[in-house]
This record gives sequence, C-alpha cells and structure tokens, in this order.
Amino acid sequence: LAKTTQPISMDSYEGQEVNITCSHNNIATNDYITWYQQFPSQGPRFIIQGYKTKVTNEVASLFIPADRKSSTLSLPRVSLSDTAVYYCLVGASLSGATNKLIFGTGTLLAVQP
Amino acid sequence: EAQVTQNPRYLITVTGKKLTVTCSQNMNHEYMSWYRQDPGLGLRQIYYSMNVEVTDKGDVPEGYKVSRKEKRNFPLILESPSPNQTSLYFCASSRTGNEAFFGQGTRLTVV
Repeated sequence: LAKTTQPISMDSYEGQEVNITCSHNNIATNDYITWYQQFPSQGPRFIIQGYKTKVTNEVASLFIPADRKSSTLSLPRVSLSDTAVYYCLVGASLSGATNKLIFGTGTLLAVQP
Repeated sequence: EAQVTQNPRYLITVTGKKLTVTCSQNMNHEYMSWYRQDPGLGLRQIYYSMNVEVTDKGDVPEGYKVSRKEKRNFPLILESPSPNQTSLYFCASSRTGNEAFFGQGTRLTVV
C-alpha cells in the first residue's frame, strides 16, 4: 500500500479556501485516493474519493494531476466547523480489495474567526 | 438510517478481566475492521474482515481477538486486557475497500 505524506497542521480563517496537499509517490495503478475528516472523539467521516483529474461533491473538490503522485483536497470557504483532522489514504477501491486502510497522522486544520 | 453502532461508548475495566466491544452495521457491508487511536500515533488497524468467517490481522493485532459469525456483527475481544490497551477504539464497515463508515468510538481505560 502506498505511503502518504501530508502537512501536520494548517491554519486558516473563516471564508477562505483551504488546499491540503498529499504526496503519494508510490501509488499503484489501481489505487484510489480517498480523504477522510475526523472531529475530536468521533470516527472519521468519508469526504471524497477520486482516481484521476478532478472530482467535486457538495463538500469538497479533489484535484489529482496526471502522474497521480500527489493530490489536493480543496475546501471552499471554510467555517469554524471545518476545524478537524484530514486524512489522505491511498489504496484499491475495487471489489476484492482488502480493507487495510492506512490512515497516518493526518493534517490538523485549524480555522479561526 | 445507515450506521455502525459500537457498544459500550465508555468502559473502565481492570487488568486481566475479559471484555468484548460489540460492533454492528446495518448496511450489509462485506468489509469490517477495528482501529485504535492513540495520541501522536493516528489510527492503527487491529483486525479486519472481508466477509463472514474471513478475518485477518491488521497492524497491531497483539492482545486482541475478533470473530465474524454474521455479516452485520464484528466484536472485538480482549481476553486479558492490559493498561497499554487503554485507547479509543473505532469499528468501521465498507462495501468496497476505501469508503468506510465508522462507529462513534469506544473509549476504553484499563487500570
């Protein structure tokens, strides 16, 4: 499973766009990129998943360059409630894949007023 | 409502007293897993299961047991808990490998 590297922490202000980049140099051909959000003392929550180019949902966008060695989670106009730890995971999402999700230590995003 | 339910949410126990943390999901997911979360160490996988009667070790399986007799349930068993198993535990389930749904967590303290 590919190892991921992401910043330990980031600071932002309400209303700003936040981009969190994750590096995954050893990503395999059938690996997907998935981001989770975790609030203190709660279980992680799935945010978004993608394979290449750009994926957007009601919460975030995920940008993946052609070489797929990195990805960027983009949170538009953050609010105080977006303060959380964000995890980038890389692994196969196809039927038959294992469920060995490796979370790492994530990025603590602190949003200030 | 789709959910993963863990019980209990909080538990204080003594060293050596066997305990079970239950986990149940109502989404008919094949994959289920257990994680522990400790400060500075992130989430580490203990055990996972790809389907009924199919389980495998994660990264930190020592001191834990699991079983998967039914698709919806995946209990975590600590036969002889020790203080180093004091942690926040999460159960998760998913249909495919990556999009997992997590329970609310069980905070275990072993004294």
